[in-house]
Amino acid sequence: EIVMTQSPATLSVSPGERATVSCRASESVSVNLAWYHQKPGQAPRLLIYGASIRATDIPARFSGSGSGTEFTLTINSLQSEDFAVYYCQQYDKWPRTFGRGTKVEIK
Amino acid sequence: QVRLQESGPGLVKPSGTLSLTCAVSGVSITTSNWWTWVRQPPGKGLEWIGEIFHSGSTNYKPSLKSRVTISVDKSKNQVSLKLISVTAADTAVYYCARARDYADFPTWLDPWGQGTLVTVSS
Repeated sequence: EIVMTQSPATLSVSPGERATVSCRASESVSVNLAWYHQKPGQAPRLLIYGASIRATDIPARFSGSGSGTEFTLTINSLQSEDFAVYYCQQYDKWPRTFGRGTKVEIK
Repeated sequence: QVRLQESGPGLVKPSGTLSLTCAVSGVSITTSNWWTWVRQPPGKGLEWIGEIFHSGSTNYKPSLKSRVTISVDKSKNQVSLKLISVTAADTAVYYCARARDYADFPTWLDPWGQGTLVTVSS
């Protein structure tokens, strides 16, 4: 199965700053990659699909880039509601696989 | 608006069977969507379990395939998950989610249900 490796595991950021989360696939997944965030006690929520397309109602401060094996999620001007765990997921091959998550915490 | 709601026993005995349902509202289960189960052990990451199309086509995670069955009940607009021979390692929050269909290909997951915690313990 495709292994998705996220880095860093934890990212400490001050409100208003930028956060960058990386995701690497063990083999090419083209642009068949999604990003989700999960707040404590809640279900994950889709942020980005197709590596760079924002989901409905997702603010423009969230952006995704990359293709093949290297992907990046950037959150500009972090708001209080953005402190959460972020997961990447590939849907190019079966079984679908997720990264282990990156916790974005308040610095 | 599409909504998913998981339900089922919160406690299952070791070697028993875990059975959950996911009630889908806001869309017919027979539309071009795949219905997916994902689980999350306490304090850990997300694990994809498998998915089903309303035609009955399924895809399962290989390491779980011998123990998992996902099915649909079109009359109730529900999706079900059955996991047999459970152990403590199967303790997790179980989520159902819709995988959008793109050219007969299941894709990203949106939306997700709120999840239900299942504990395997005697």
